[in-house]
Amino acid sequence: DVKVTQSSRYLVKRTGEKVFLECVQDMDHENMFWYRQDPGLGLRLIYFSYDVKMKEKGDIPEGYSVSREKKERFSLILESASTNQTSMYLCASSEGVAVNEQFFGPGTRLTVL
Amino acid sequence: AQSVAQPEDQVNVAEGNPLTVKCTYSVSGNPYLFWYVQYPNRGLQFLLKYITGDNLVKGSYGFEAEFNKSQTSFHLKKPSALVSDSALYFCAVRDIIGGSYIPTFGRGTSLIVHP
Repeated sequence: DVKVTQSSRYLVKRTGEKVFLECVQDMDHENMFWYRQDPGLGLRLIYFSYDVKMKEKGDIPEGYSVSREKKERFSLILESASTNQTSMYLCASSEGVAVNEQFFGPGTRLTVL
Repeated sequence: AQSVAQPEDQVNVAEGNPLTVKCTYSVSGNPYLFWYVQYPNRGLQFLLKYITGDNLVKGSYGFEAEFNKSQTSFHLKKPSALVSDSALYFCAVRDIIGGSYIPTFGRGTSLIVHP
Protein backbone atom coordinates (compact mmCIF):
# COMPACT_ATOMS: atom_id res chain seq x y z
CA ASP A 1 0.00 0.00 0.00
CA VAL A 2 1.34 3.42 -0.96
CA LYS A 3 2.33 5.67 1.86
CA VAL A 4 3.19 9.28 2.63
CA THR A 5 4.28 9.83 6.21
CA GLN A 6 4.80 13.05 8.12
CA SER A 7 7.08 13.28 11.11
CA SER A 8 4.54 14.66 13.58
CA ARG A 9 0.75 14.74 13.83
CA TYR A 10 0.74 17.59 16.34
CA LEU A 11 3.44 20.14 17.05
CA VAL A 12 3.55 23.12 19.40
CA LYS A 13 6.31 25.69 18.97
CA ARG A 14 7.07 29.15 20.24
CA THR A 15 7.34 32.32 18.19
CA GLY A 16 10.80 32.69 16.69
CA GLU A 17 11.71 29.01 16.81
CA LYS A 18 13.01 27.21 13.75
CA VAL A 19 10.61 24.43 12.79
CA PHE A 20 11.24 21.40 10.59
CA LEU A 21 8.39 19.38 9.10
CA GLU A 22 9.47 16.16 7.45
CA CYS A 23 7.68 14.18 4.78
CA VAL A 24 8.66 10.79 3.38
CA GLN A 25 7.05 8.85 0.52
CA ASP A 26 7.73 5.26 -0.43
CA MET A 27 6.38 5.33 -4.00
CA ASP A 28 9.45 6.65 -5.85
CA HIS A 29 7.41 9.68 -6.96
CA GLU A 30 9.11 12.54 -8.74
CA ASN A 31 6.81 15.28 -7.45
CA MET A 32 6.35 16.33 -3.85
CA PHE A 33 4.25 19.17 -2.45
CA TRP A 34 3.70 21.12 0.75
CA TYR A 35 0.31 22.72 1.41
CA ARG A 36 -1.22 24.50 4.29
CA GLN A 37 -4.90 24.09 5.02
CA ASP A 38 -6.94 26.73 6.81
CA PRO A 39 -10.71 26.81 7.34
CA GLY A 40 -12.47 28.59 4.51
CA LEU A 41 -9.30 28.90 2.46
CA GLY A 42 -8.90 25.32 1.30
CA LEU A 43 -5.44 24.08 0.35
CA ARG A 44 -2.79 26.59 -0.54
CA LEU A 45 0.45 25.48 -2.13
CA ILE A 46 3.60 26.57 -0.32
CA TYR A 47 6.32 24.84 -2.36
CA PHE A 48 6.69 21.90 -4.62
CA SER A 49 9.58 19.86 -5.97
CA TYR A 50 9.72 17.92 -9.23
CA ASP A 51 13.13 16.33 -8.66
CA VAL A 52 15.90 16.03 -6.11
CA LYS A 53 17.34 19.46 -5.25
CA MET A 54 14.72 21.12 -7.49
CA LYS A 55 12.03 23.34 -5.99
CA GLU A 56 9.53 25.94 -7.07
CA LYS A 57 7.53 28.45 -5.11
CA GLY A 58 3.83 27.98 -4.79
CA ASP A 59 1.20 30.54 -3.91
CA ILE A 60 2.37 31.40 -0.38
CA PRO A 61 6.12 30.74 0.01
CA GLU A 62 6.86 33.71 2.27
CA GLY A 63 8.25 32.63 5.63
CA TYR A 64 8.98 29.09 4.42
CA SER A 65 11.81 27.22 2.76
CA VAL A 66 12.17 23.62 1.63
CA SER A 67 14.83 20.99 1.15
CA ARG A 68 14.88 17.88 -1.02
CA GLU A 69 18.20 16.09 -0.75
CA LYS A 70 16.77 12.63 -1.45
CA LYS A 71 13.95 11.63 -3.75
CA GLU A 72 11.78 10.20 -1.00
CA ARG A 73 12.11 13.06 1.49
CA PHE A 74 10.79 16.63 1.32
CA SER A 75 11.26 18.96 4.27
CA LEU A 76 9.43 22.18 5.05
CA ILE A 77 11.30 24.71 7.18
CA LEU A 78 9.89 27.65 9.09
CA GLU A 79 12.98 29.76 9.70
CA SER A 80 11.36 31.83 12.46
CA ALA A 81 7.90 30.63 13.35
CA SER A 82 5.14 33.19 13.78
CA THR A 83 1.63 32.87 15.14
CA ASN A 84 0.11 33.34 11.68
CA GLN A 85 1.80 30.10 10.64
CA THR A 86 -0.44 28.14 12.97
CA SER A 87 -2.15 25.77 10.56
CA MET A 88 -2.54 22.24 9.25
CA TYR A 89 0.34 21.30 6.96
CA LEU A 90 -0.17 18.60 4.36
CA CYS A 91 2.49 16.88 2.31
CA ALA A 92 1.68 15.13 -0.96
CA SER A 93 3.45 13.27 -3.72
CA SER A 94 2.61 12.24 -7.28
CA GLU A 95 4.16 10.58 -10.30
CA GLY A 96 5.70 12.81 -12.93
CA VAL A 97 2.90 13.63 -15.35
CA ALA A 98 -0.06 15.94 -14.85
CA VAL A 99 -2.67 13.22 -15.19
CA ASN A 100 -1.68 11.45 -12.00
CA GLU A 101 -3.39 11.93 -8.68
CA GLN A 102 -1.66 13.03 -5.50
CA PHE A 103 -1.16 10.94 -2.41
CA PHE A 104 -1.39 12.84 0.85
CA GLY A 105 0.13 12.36 4.24
CA PRO A 106 -1.99 12.54 7.41
CA GLY A 107 -1.03 16.15 8.10
CA THR A 108 0.77 18.01 10.86
CA ARG A 109 -1.24 20.40 12.97
CA LEU A 110 1.21 23.10 13.99
CA THR A 111 0.46 25.59 16.75
CA VAL A 112 2.78 28.53 17.21
CA LEU A 113 2.40 30.27 20.58
CA ALA B 1 -4.22 30.23 -15.65
CA GLN B 2 -6.55 27.74 -14.04
CA SER B 3 -9.11 28.03 -11.30
CA VAL B 4 -11.71 25.90 -9.64
CA ALA B 5 -14.79 26.87 -7.67
CA GLN B 6 -16.90 24.94 -5.22
CA PRO B 7 -19.92 27.19 -4.82
CA GLU B 8 -21.29 25.53 -1.68
CA ASP B 9 -19.47 25.61 1.65
CA GLN B 10 -21.79 22.95 3.02
CA VAL B 11 -24.22 20.41 1.63
CA ASN B 12 -26.79 18.67 3.80
CA VAL B 13 -28.53 15.49 2.71
CA ALA B 14 -30.53 12.77 4.38
CA GLU B 15 -29.16 9.25 4.46
CA GLY B 16 -30.40 7.25 1.50
CA ASN B 17 -30.99 10.31 -0.67
CA PRO B 18 -28.82 11.14 -3.69
CA LEU B 19 -26.08 13.68 -3.17
CA THR B 20 -24.36 16.19 -5.42
CA VAL B 21 -21.29 18.27 -4.61
CA LYS B 22 -20.67 20.94 -7.21
CA CYS B 23 -17.45 21.97 -8.92
CA THR B 24 -16.78 24.33 -11.80
CA TYR B 25 -13.41 25.03 -13.38
CA SER B 26 -11.52 27.27 -15.75
CA VAL B 27 -8.42 26.22 -17.73
CA SER B 28 -6.79 27.37 -20.93
CA GLY B 29 -6.60 23.91 -22.50
CA ASN B 30 -8.14 20.56 -21.69
CA PRO B 31 -8.65 19.95 -17.96
CA TYR B 32 -7.48 17.15 -15.78
CA LEU B 33 -10.01 17.04 -12.95
CA PHE B 34 -9.88 15.31 -9.59
CA TRP B 35 -12.01 14.77 -6.51
CA TYR B 36 -10.56 14.10 -3.07
CA VAL B 37 -12.18 13.41 0.28
CA GLN B 38 -10.87 14.36 3.71
CA TYR B 39 -12.19 12.70 6.84
CA PRO B 40 -11.68 14.49 10.18
CA ASN B 41 -8.05 14.80 11.25
CA ARG B 42 -6.84 12.95 8.18
CA GLY B 43 -5.08 13.78 4.94
CA LEU B 44 -6.87 13.87 1.61
CA GLN B 45 -7.75 10.66 -0.20
CA PHE B 46 -8.16 10.39 -3.94
CA LEU B 47 -11.69 9.51 -5.11
CA LEU B 48 -11.69 9.77 -8.90
CA LYS B 49 -10.34 11.66 -11.89
CA TYR B 50 -11.27 12.71 -15.39
CA ILE B 51 -8.54 12.77 -18.01
CA THR B 52 -10.31 12.01 -21.29
CA GLY B 53 -12.99 9.74 -22.70
CA ASP B 54 -16.31 8.90 -21.07
CA ASN B 55 -17.86 11.91 -19.38
CA LEU B 56 -19.12 9.80 -16.47
CA VAL B 57 -16.29 8.71 -14.21
CA LYS B 58 -16.72 6.12 -11.48
CA GLY B 59 -14.57 6.13 -8.38
CA SER B 60 -14.16 4.83 -4.87
CA TYR B 61 -16.93 4.26 -2.29
CA GLY B 62 -19.70 4.39 -4.91
CA PHE B 63 -18.98 7.97 -6.00
CA GLU B 64 -19.11 9.15 -9.56
CA ALA B 65 -18.62 12.46 -11.32
CA GLU B 66 -19.89 13.89 -14.58
CA PHE B 67 -17.66 16.00 -16.78
CA ASN B 68 -19.61 18.67 -18.67
CA LYS B 69 -17.40 20.63 -21.02
CA SER B 70 -20.05 23.14 -22.11
CA GLN B 71 -20.83 24.05 -18.51
CA THR B 72 -17.20 23.64 -17.36
CA SER B 73 -18.40 21.52 -14.48
CA PHE B 74 -17.35 18.32 -12.77
CA HIS B 75 -19.98 17.59 -10.12
CA LEU B 76 -19.53 14.72 -7.68
CA LYS B 77 -22.51 12.44 -7.20
CA LYS B 78 -23.66 9.40 -5.30
CA PRO B 79 -27.07 7.71 -5.74
CA SER B 80 -27.60 6.93 -2.05
CA ALA B 81 -25.76 8.82 0.71
CA LEU B 82 -24.41 7.18 3.85
CA VAL B 83 -23.75 8.85 7.20
CA SER B 84 -20.14 7.72 6.79
CA ASP B 85 -19.87 9.89 3.66
CA SER B 86 -19.86 12.95 5.91
CA ALA B 87 -16.52 14.61 5.21
CA LEU B 88 -14.83 17.49 3.44
CA TYR B 89 -14.66 17.18 -0.35
CA PHE B 90 -12.18 18.93 -2.60
CA CYS B 91 -12.24 19.38 -6.33
CA ALA B 92 -8.91 20.00 -8.10
CA VAL B 93 -7.75 20.90 -11.60
CA ARG B 94 -4.27 20.47 -13.04
CA ASP B 95 -2.58 22.38 -15.80
CA ILE B 96 0.96 22.87 -17.03
CA ILE B 97 2.82 26.09 -16.27
CA GLY B 98 6.33 26.39 -17.54
CA GLY B 99 6.78 22.65 -17.68
CA SER B 100 5.72 22.03 -14.07
CA TYR B 101 2.52 20.46 -12.85
CA ILE B 102 0.75 22.63 -10.32
CA PRO B 103 -2.66 21.55 -9.08
CA THR B 104 -5.27 24.07 -7.99
CA PHE B 105 -7.75 23.04 -5.33
CA GLY B 106 -11.15 24.40 -4.54
CA ARG B 107 -11.93 25.63 -1.04
CA GLY B 108 -13.75 22.46 -0.15
CA THR B 109 -17.35 21.52 0.53
CA SER B 110 -18.43 20.02 3.81
CA LEU B 111 -20.91 17.21 3.23
CA ILE B 112 -23.17 16.35 6.15
CA VAL B 113 -25.34 13.28 5.85
CA HIS B 114 -28.11 13.15 8.43
CA PRO B 115 -29.39 9.80 9.75
